[in-house]
Amino acid sequence: DQQVKQNSPSLSVQEGRISILNCDYTNSMFDYFLWYKKYPAEGPTFLISISSIKDKNEDGRFTVFLNKSAKHLSLHIVPSQPGDSAVYFCAALTFTGNQFYFGTGTSLTVIP
Amino acid sequence: DVKVTQSSRYLVKRTGEKVFLECVQDMDHENMFWYRQDPGLGLRLIYFSYDVKMKEKGDIPEGYSVSREKKERFSLILESASTNQTSMYLCASSLGDRGNQPQHFGDGTRLSIL
Repeated sequence: DQQVKQNSPSLSVQEGRISILNCDYTNSMFDYFLWYKKYPAEGPTFLISISSIKDKNEDGRFTVFLNKSAKHLSLHIVPSQPGDSAVYFCAALTFTGNQFYFGTGTSLTVIP
Repeated sequence: DVKVTQSSRYLVKRTGEKVFLECVQDMDHENMFWYRQDPGLGLRLIYFSYDVKMKEKGDIPEGYSVSREKKERFSLILESASTNQTSMYLCASSLGDRGNQPQHFGDGTRLSIL
């Protein structure tokens, strides 16, 4: 049973526009959420995270929003750049450390 | 910079073979993980370890075992490889307490079982 879901397998955005990647989860016990970026033939690299006690975290062009009541998080990339083209995974963790769950990924293409 | 090194980028083995996938990290991280990545299924946790000689099952441990004899090295073992274990295997490490630190990944091993 997939506890973290990314319902959009792919997304295309024009360069300079906003990219919004979405993630839903089912387990209300998750304490911490992360976004990873993955280029082909490379391992995922950590992008940004958010604790469950916050609703927003920003790092440069990347902002993650968390809506706990909806069990939904999103990653906003503004402005989008061609180098942002990659697969993005969201992940959810509990602080007990016994549960690590990744979504299925969304492939973002930024069109120059 | 953290470096997580997986011993092979590509590996081809036969059904029934015992297969070892090796992972080494150079940042003295306590935590190490093994995932497999399959199309449409994302990353699924196989096993993880919080300390030397310590291991815990993840989501899909069946058919796998692990070994952590030294802090920097975490090995994944396929006891008797089967075709459904053909996949991309990713090793990761992280620092500190359980669950609240970003994981750093290796570049993956693409394993094919014939």
